[in-house]
Amino acid sequence: DTEVTQTPKHLVMGMTNKKSLKCEQHMGHRAMYWYKQKAKKPPELMFVYSYEKLSINESVPSRFSPECPNSSLLNLHLHALQPEDSALYLCASSRYGATNTEAFFGQGTRLTVV
Amino acid sequence: QKEVEQNSGPLSVPEGAIASLNCTYSDRGSQSFFWYRQYSGKSPELIMFIYSNGDKEDGRFTAQLNKASQYVSLLIRDSQPSDSATYLCAGSSGGAQKLVFGQGTRLTINP
Repeated sequence: DTEVTQTPKHLVMGMTNKKSLKCEQHMGHRAMYWYKQKAKKPPELMFVYSYEKLSINESVPSRFSPECPNSSLLNLHLHALQPEDSALYLCASSRYGATNTEAFFGQGTRLTVV
Repeated sequence: QKEVEQNSGPLSVPEGAIASLNCTYSDRGSQSFFWYRQYSGKSPELIMFIYSNGDKEDGRFTAQLNKASQYVSLLIRDSQPSDSATYLCAGSSGGAQKLVFGQGTRLTINP
C-alpha cells in the first residue's frame, strides 16, 4: 500500500479565512513533505518533516504554518493567503529522508484563494 | 544553472514506438533519481527509481543512470496513448532531504 491521503480535494477560501489542509499515511514512513505546484511547473518544496520534526523550511511565508502531530499526520495551516497562493498543494511521504528512498505523493488539494 | 534539467518538449511519439526522455543533473552528490508521471490535473505518480549506474527495467519502462556523465534517462517501449503525460525527473540533493525536480517533459503518444 503506497497511499497518501489528502483532504480536502478542493478548497476555496477568502483572503481573511483560516483553513487547514490534512495529509495522512499509514506506511510507517518517517519523512513527510509539503509541495506547492503551479500550472505547468514542477512541484516546489515547502517543508520537510523528519521523525516529526521540521527539518527543512524553504523560506515559506509565515501565512503557511506546518504541523506534524504524529508520525502519520501532517497538516498545513493557512491564514491570510493571497490570490497568488492558489495552486495544487501536494503532500508526500518517504521511508526516511529523500536521499535514497522513494517519495509517494497524495492526490493533492486544489486551493483557490479569492 | 538549474540542478536538474529536462527538455520541456513537447515530445511526440507514434503509438508502439520507443519514447526516450532525458535528464541531466549538476549536483555530483546526488545519489538517487526518480521518474514521476503526472497526468493533467493529477498528482505525480512514481514509476521508476534508480540508484546505481546502468540500466533498470520494469515492464515497458527502463531507467538508465550514468553518474560520470550526470545523465538519467527513461525509455518507454511499445508506447501507448495512455502514456501521454508530463514526466518529471527528480534527483536527491546530496546530503539533504529534498528532491529536486526538473521542469518536466510533456509526452504525447499519437495513435
